[in-house]
Amino acid sequence: TQLLEQSPQFLSIQEGENLTVYCNSSSVFSSLQWYRQEPGEGPVLLVTVVTGGEVKKLKRLTFQFGDARKDSSLHITAAQPGDTGLYLCAVVERTGTASKLTFGTGTRLQVTL
Amino acid sequence: KAGVTQTPRYLIKTRGQQVTLSCSPISGHRSVSWYQQTPGQGLQFLFEYFSETQRNKGNFPGRFSGRQFSNSRSEMNVSTLELGDSALYLCASSRLAGGTSTDTQYFGPGTRLTVL
Repeated sequence: TQLLEQSPQFLSIQEGENLTVYCNSSSVFSSLQWYRQEPGEGPVLLVTVVTGGEVKKLKRLTFQFGDARKDSSLHITAAQPGDTGLYLCAVVERTGTASKLTFGTGTRLQVTL
Repeated sequence: KAGVTQTPRYLIKTRGQQVTLSCSPISGHRSVSWYQQTPGQGLQFLFEYFSETQRNKGNFPGRFSGRQFSNSRSEMNVSTLELGDSALYLCASSRLAGGTSTDTQYFGPGTRLTVL
C-alpha cells in the first residue's frame, strides 16, 4: 500500500489549459512537499506546505494543503510546455532521530503546443 | 555554487556483477541520501549518511550498501546485480540530517543503471 497516492497518473494537455493534480493519504502529516522532475534530471523542490488549509502560489502554480493535513493539490493555470515533467508529492517520515523522504506515486504531465 | 554531481551518468552491467556509484554533495552539505527510481515502484529511499554514519536505511536487501567519506562524498554499491536492479539511482544532499521539512534536499541528475 502506497502512503501517498497521486492522481491522475498521466496527463496530456495543450498549452493554455488548466489542470489539477492530487496527492492523497489516510495519514496526517506535519508538512508536505511538491517536487518537479524533468527528463534526465533529479527532482527539484517546488514548495513545502505546513499548515492545514494553507495555500501557496508560485507564479502559475497554486499549492493547497488539506484542512486535515492528509491531502494536497497542485493547480497549474495556463499550462506551458515548460511545465512538462513528473510531479511528485513527498512527506518526511521520522523514526526516532532518523528521517527520510517518502514520495508519492507521481503524476506525469505533458503539455503540447 | 556547484550542484550535486553523480558519476557515472550511465552504466550497463550484466547479472551477477557488482557496481559502485558515486555522489559528490553540494559544498558544505553533510547529509547524503540515496534513492532508487523505477517505473513500477517509483522513488524509494535506500539510505542516508550523515558525518560518515548511516543514519537510516530503507527496505532493500543487503546487496545494497553505501558509505560516506570524511569530505561528505558518498558511494553506493550493489553486489550480485539482478535484472530488477535496473533503475535510476538518485543522490540528494542537504546541510543537516536529510529529509527534514525545513532543510531542503538537493538532488543530482542520477545514474541510469541497466542490468542485462
